[in-house]
Amino acid sequence: RKEVEQDPGPFNVPEGATVAFNCTYSNSASQSFFWYRQDCRKEPKLLMSVYSSGNEDGRFTAQLNRASQYISLLIRDSKLSDSATYLCVVNRPVGGWGKLQFGAGTQVVVTP
Amino acid sequence: DVKVTQSSRYLVKRTGEKVFLECVQDMDHENMFWYRQDPGLGLRLIYFSYDVKMKEKGDIPEGYSVSREKKERFSLILESASTNQTSMYLCASSSRGGGQLYNEQFFGPGTRLTVL
Repeated sequence: RKEVEQDPGPFNVPEGATVAFNCTYSNSASQSFFWYRQDCRKEPKLLMSVYSSGNEDGRFTAQLNRASQYISLLIRDSKLSDSATYLCVVNRPVGGWGKLQFGAGTQVVVTP
Repeated sequence: DVKVTQSSRYLVKRTGEKVFLECVQDMDHENMFWYRQDPGLGLRLIYFSYDVKMKEKGDIPEGYSVSREKKERFSLILESASTNQTSMYLCASSSRGGGQLYNEQFFGPGTRLTVL
């Protein structure tokens, strides 16, 4: 089983619609969670951190469910520019140093 | 703006060649990382460094080595390139916070390496 699993998609979303997708993680000791965004042929960039209470950044909402070990990302009022691959990132405590474990990504395609 | 640069965007090498990939960051970050990214597998950590001359193995260190002689520079070395090392290689850096590696990672543009 992969440590971080994501639905690869693609999620085809009409412009203006809402899309949501999840990411599951296997290590219950993980404490830090992030969503990164990667545009086609570009490097990943941090979209947002995910906090225990859930957090919002404009049209983006991230949630954490520790009991079921998943995080989610919801995008409201989708824009064409939201088309990208969204990478779920979870820390994996290993000894005294945490490593970041990246999921393979969920592709979102926003269509006019 | 944080800037992470990598020496080449595209590289073609032959099996058995020694390959050097260079990464430079200009934000005085303590931590630096090398990943490879393959379709369906996501980013996999090869090596990371939390200080000059310090290095730790990641998940897939076999066939690779690294060097960090200066804080701003982290080099990935393929001692004897093989075709299964054909991949996109991404370098990243982050500041150290609370002794952990959880701070935002800033990535370079990547080097697409093809080994023939």
